[in-house]
Amino acid sequence: DTEVTQTPKHLVMGMTNKKSLKCEQHMGHRAMYWYKQKAKKPPELMFVYSYEKLSINESVPSRFSPECPNSSLLNLHLHALQPEDSALYLCASSHRQGDSDEQYFGPGTRLTVT
Amino acid sequence: AQSVAQPEDQVNVAEGNPLTVKCTYSVSGNPYLFWYVQYPNRGLQFLLKYITGDNLVKGSYGFEAEFNKSQTSFHLKKPSALVSDSALYFCAVRDYRGKLIFGQGTELSVKP
Repeated sequence: DTEVTQTPKHLVMGMTNKKSLKCEQHMGHRAMYWYKQKAKKPPELMFVYSYEKLSINESVPSRFSPECPNSSLLNLHLHALQPEDSALYLCASSHRQGDSDEQYFGPGTRLTVT
Repeated sequence: AQSVAQPEDQVNVAEGNPLTVKCTYSVSGNPYLFWYVQYPNRGLQFLLKYITGDNLVKGSYGFEAEFNKSQTSFHLKKPSALVSDSALYFCAVRDYRGKLIFGQGTELSVKP
């Protein structure tokens, strides 16, 4: 099973709402990633978790709060977002951070902030 | 700093013709290079990677890529394009922290 699942597929939220994105993998990968992607642009790395610990935060605003409750699950908590945060949010996983293995991507959550 | 460049925003090919999507890289040390494809409203799918060894790497869906150290290139190729190959293609290099650094992407359009 080489699947990364993400829920929900679509999310519309107001600027005062609090919502969460969820990502799950059962490949035994110990590195998990959040990316943000605008239309027709490359994904931009937001966070990396390695062995359930935050390893990289690419200077992401605090209105995005990641969480890794266990080795299979990755959440992204959203609060007080801005319209410019509307994008496709992609989760990915790999065996370990820093090795030569490819990252497997989920289908993404399409987020619209109104 | 590691970087990759995809010099073409768009590539147009007729079905059945060979296709090439170009990528050049700039790294210190030995590069770990990847190609991903993204279909509309989908996540990225891994196609192939170069770590070490043979310069010609074979991947999924009949794609292959040639690593050329002297030209610092890693072009993606397919001998015979299909309409279903139409998608957005990203070249990427992995830095020492495991971060993927993507090129700007090339939109491939294959017409019947």
